[in-house]
Amino acid sequence: AQTVTQSQPEMSVQEAETVTLSCTYDTSESNYYLFWYKQPPSRQMILVIRQEAYKQQNATENRFSVNFQKAAKSFSLKISDSQLGDTAMYFCAFMRVSGYALNFGKGTSLLVTP
Amino acid sequence: EAGVTQFPSHSVIEKGQTVTLRCDPISGHDNLYWYRRVMGKEIKFLLHFVKESKQDESGMPNNRFLAERTGGTYSTLKVQPAELEDSGVYFCASSQGLAGGEGKTQYFGPGTRLLVL
Repeated sequence: AQTVTQSQPEMSVQEAETVTLSCTYDTSESNYYLFWYKQPPSRQMILVIRQEAYKQQNATENRFSVNFQKAAKSFSLKISDSQLGDTAMYFCAFMRVSGYALNFGKGTSLLVTP
Repeated sequence: EAGVTQFPSHSVIEKGQTVTLRCDPISGHDNLYWYRRVMGKEIKFLLHFVKESKQDESGMPNNRFLAERTGGTYSTLKVQPAELEDSGVYFCASSQGLAGGEGKTQYFGPGTRLLVL
């Protein structure tokens, strides 16, 4: 079974600064998908970024980028120029290429302060 | 394009009662999933539909949970009878189901917060 670990239950960052959320996973698969989802307070969970393991290039979406280290089984999320609207719970998730179920970490609660 | 919707947003029931949760996926998404997050724990997979067929229900906790997707459109998840440990947030998600990253990406609803007293 695949496990996903987010070692930072809570983090705080000031507006305009950069923050990195960590995620590690355990799998014997060679190809898979990794995701970061964001759930703002009392709002819907939305996809932030997706990485396909066979692609060596790190995925980026505007201010959000990942540092994907396949050998280390690490998938950290970097948020640049943090904004108040980035305050949310962030979930890291794993999916086998041949599967459909997402395996989630426990989440990291990020607070962006003025 | 409308996103995944869930109803109700909150439900408070007493132990032993029945509750039915509903999920409407994104139009055209054949794949529909149910997940649950119990307080302090990870979001856990419950089951997966492809159209009206249950593809994988390995995550369903026990036979008090019954999921249906008649006609391959919306889905319901019934808990009968509810127990205290069923409290949590129930998420529904949908995906196109096609091969490749975008096809496998799941889009989530806002969740139903269930409290069993």
